[in-house]
Amino acid sequence: DGGITQSPKYLFRKEGQNVTLSCEQNLNHDAMYWYRQDPGQGLRLIYYSQIVNDFQKGDIAEGYSVSREKKESFPLTVTSAQKNPTAFYLCASSIKGVHEQFFGPGTRLTVL
Amino acid sequence: DAKTTQPPSMDCAEGRAANLPCNHSTISGNEYVYWYRQIHSQGPQYIIHGLKNNETNEMASLIITEDRKSSTLILPHATLRDTAVYYCIVRPIYNQGGKLIFGQGTELSVKP
Repeated sequence: DGGITQSPKYLFRKEGQNVTLSCEQNLNHDAMYWYRQDPGQGLRLIYYSQIVNDFQKGDIAEGYSVSREKKESFPLTVTSAQKNPTAFYLCASSIKGVHEQFFGPGTRLTVL
Repeated sequence: DAKTTQPPSMDCAEGRAANLPCNHSTISGNEYVYWYRQIHSQGPQYIIHGLKNNETNEMASLIITEDRKSSTLILPHATLRDTAVYYCIVRPIYNQGGKLIFGQGTELSVKP
């Protein structure tokens, strides 16, 4: 089945450690996105990429980094510079120029 | 900042129509209205979008007022599985990066 996978569903890390969240899609979509969601809030855009080897900062990119070496993969690294990393992280993809974004199931990151 | 205003919560009886309002009084002529929903702890799901005409698909209907300053998402026969947070989003036709700006949405509770 086609779709977006994020792993793991739950992730725990100690404060000060970098952690990388996985996002893979087999939909052949050009564009991919990372959003962050805090309790009771809407989603906020962290980074997005419209083509391989290119990405742009979203509204809250500080303390995060991404790479887009393959069309199907868009991993997000939460660095120790991110002051409040505990959140629900959602990855999405879309065909460039098409309206609908498809979302993955999300990774809930807890930093202890 | 989100360019839409939605009531924070609504209730609906199972089997009845759910009518979710959205105010987007500052919408411009080149902006679409999108609706997504998010079931608890899952990724958002695209529902429908429109520019100025009313739209219908297998999930819902979208009614946009003639002045385009507000819209209503209609779930014709709500079920318990429709309990979710519903987001109304305004997005330019030629959207730089394709990002979506989520507000806090309307939490719809469908009750038996």
